[in-house]
Amino acid sequence: AQKVTQAQTEISVVEKEDVTLDCVYETRDTTYYLFWYKQPPSGELVFLIRRNSFDEQNEISGRYSWNFQKSTSSFNFTITASQVVDSAVYFCALTPTSGTYKYIFGTGTRLKVLA
Amino acid sequence: DSGVTQTPKHLITATGQRVTLRCSPRSGDLSVYWYQQSLDQGLQFLIQYYNGEERAKGNILERFSAQQFPDLHSELNLSSLELGDSALYFCASGSGTRDTGELFFGEGSRLTVL
Repeated sequence: AQKVTQAQTEISVVEKEDVTLDCVYETRDTTYYLFWYKQPPSGELVFLIRRNSFDEQNEISGRYSWNFQKSTSSFNFTITASQVVDSAVYFCALTPTSGTYKYIFGTGTRLKVLA
Repeated sequence: DSGVTQTPKHLITATGQRVTLRCSPRSGDLSVYWYQQSLDQGLQFLIQYYNGEERAKGNILERFSAQQFPDLHSELNLSSLELGDSALYFCASGSGTRDTGELFFGEGSRLTVL
């Protein structure tokens, strides 16, 4: 069975603080993709990053960074120096690279960045 | 702009009614996915189509049905609506191949059942 767990339902930080959003996944597939999506208050889902299970290198994009650890089945997302515009719900997702391409989403973490 | 178009953006209807939600995928994408997001809930996978054929089914109620047409647009039909069907319905498109993985989402159709 495949499952994505985002244990943090809501996080509040003060602007300029760093914050890490946790994502733990379960899958029996040997190859898979992991994703993060952002859902701002306007409602649309914005793609942030895709990571192939073969590639465990961490990635940094501006204030965003992702830590993929296969050994712990985690794909955590860190926002450095958070800003009010980062306030959104963030979803982690998983899909195998073969088969039915069913995307499994976590329940999301609501991030509130206070000015 | 993701390139995925969903209509209508908002819809208010009564219990027992039937509605149709429409989705046009990104140019070149063959695969369409439908998701339901209820208030403060995650994304529940409903159904996936690839090039006109159903490819995967999630927790889709029997009162709901979908199809993908030859021009690749998709429609999600919701019938005998209940209050609990009020939700944001997302359509997403993807290539459906193994080379790329990300889904691109439309802005969603917000359904309110009164």
